[in-house]
Amino acid sequence: EDKVVQSPLSLVVHEGDTVTLNCSYEVTNFRSLLWYKQEKKAPTFLFMLTSSGIEKKSGRLSSILDKKELFSILNITATQTGDSAIYLCAVESNTGNQFYFGTGTSLTVIP
Amino acid sequence: DGGITQSPKYLFRKEGQNVTLSCEQNLNHDAMYWYRQDPGQGLRLIYYSQIVNDFQKGDIAEGYSVSREKKESFPLTVTSAQKNPTAFYLCASSPWTGLNSGANVLTFGAGSRLTVL
Repeated sequence: EDKVVQSPLSLVVHEGDTVTLNCSYEVTNFRSLLWYKQEKKAPTFLFMLTSSGIEKKSGRLSSILDKKELFSILNITATQTGDSAIYLCAVESNTGNQFYFGTGTSLTVIP
Repeated sequence: DGGITQSPKYLFRKEGQNVTLSCEQNLNHDAMYWYRQDPGQGLRLIYYSQIVNDFQKGDIAEGYSVSREKKESFPLTVTSAQKNPTAFYLCASSPWTGLNSGANVLTFGAGSRLTVL
């Protein structure tokens, strides 16, 4: 059965801390892994990863994929209260163009 | 601006009633999806469609129905057979580039929150 597992389920940190969110997967015919940020409504796209070992970076956020060990991490440095959100990991499969989602990690950043 | 429009944003219904959630996209995407989101459970796939007049069941299709008569539109009906319909529903789309081509990004609508009274 295809599945995506995220950890931790929730996290509370102080502003300025660095956090690492984890995503492991078992998906047949892997095509890509995507990270999304969901604040209240629509998830917004952060990164797409298709190749192992190549870091994607956007400001204080970065992500990397390990296709051998079947996991990805999302790092956020110098966290701000605006980073508070649910972070979703999804894996796209070549089989039927499906996307499999994890349960998400709920991040709360307190001043 | 291109995007996905879901309506209504909030919907209340009595038990035993069918309701239809609208999803329209102007991104010229081939594939469209409906997900249900419950607290602590992430996104679960209800139905998806890769082309007009064709759709497939996802993991939790029971009690739901869809149609895809136009490329831009993928409405979801929550029927009275759905035992626990109170949830947040997200519609999404992606370019369908075929089995052996590049990866896709899912674009989401703002969601519809359904509450059964």
